[in-house]
Amino acid sequence: AQKVTQAQTEISVVEKEDVTLDCVYETRDTTYYLFWYKQPPSGELVFLIRRNSFDEQNEISGRYSWNFQKSTSSFNFTITASQVVDSAVYFCALTLTGNQFYFGTGTSLTVIP
Amino acid sequence: NAGVTQTPKFRILKIGQSMTLQCTQDMNHNYMYWYRQDPGMGLKLIYYSVGAGITDKGEVPNGYNVSRSTTEDFPLRLELAAPSQTSVYFCASSYERGRKETQYFGPGTRLLVL
Repeated sequence: AQKVTQAQTEISVVEKEDVTLDCVYETRDTTYYLFWYKQPPSGELVFLIRRNSFDEQNEISGRYSWNFQKSTSSFNFTITASQVVDSAVYFCALTLTGNQFYFGTGTSLTVIP
Repeated sequence: NAGVTQTPKFRILKIGQSMTLQCTQDMNHNYMYWYRQDPGMGLKLIYYSVGAGITDKGEVPNGYNVSRSTTEDFPLRLELAAPSQTSVYFCASSYERGRKETQYFGPGTRLLVL
């Protein structure tokens, strides 16, 4: 079975704090992709990153960074120096070959000014 | 570029009615997707396409049909609308460059079936 768990339902941080959003996945496949998406209060969807299962290199994009660890089946997302504009629901997702998508239930992040 | 456009933005349907949700992208992307998002939930894949003339089912295809006659357009057809199809529908397109993929989403269509 494939599954994505985002155990943190809601997180609140004060502006400029760092915050890590957790994502744990389950799959027996050796080839898979992991994603993070952002959904601001406006309701739009924003693609953040895709990582394939053979690439464990961590990635940094500005204030965003992603830590992929196959040993713990985790793909965590860290926002450094959070800003109010980071307030959104963040979804983690897992896809396998054949384009079967499995989404987590999302983590609602509120950044307090 | 307009990116991914979706029409309509909002629609109310009566049970049993049919409609087509339009999706167009002007980025020449081969990959296109239809998702639905129920309140408070993540996305579920309805259908996807890897190029013109090629479509395949996702996780929740029942009650929907798609076509991909051109690279730009990927309409989603609802036949015999049911209350369970009340949702927000997102269309997306993507491309791959090397080992990186980038996805673009449309603004969504909010559908209410009464």
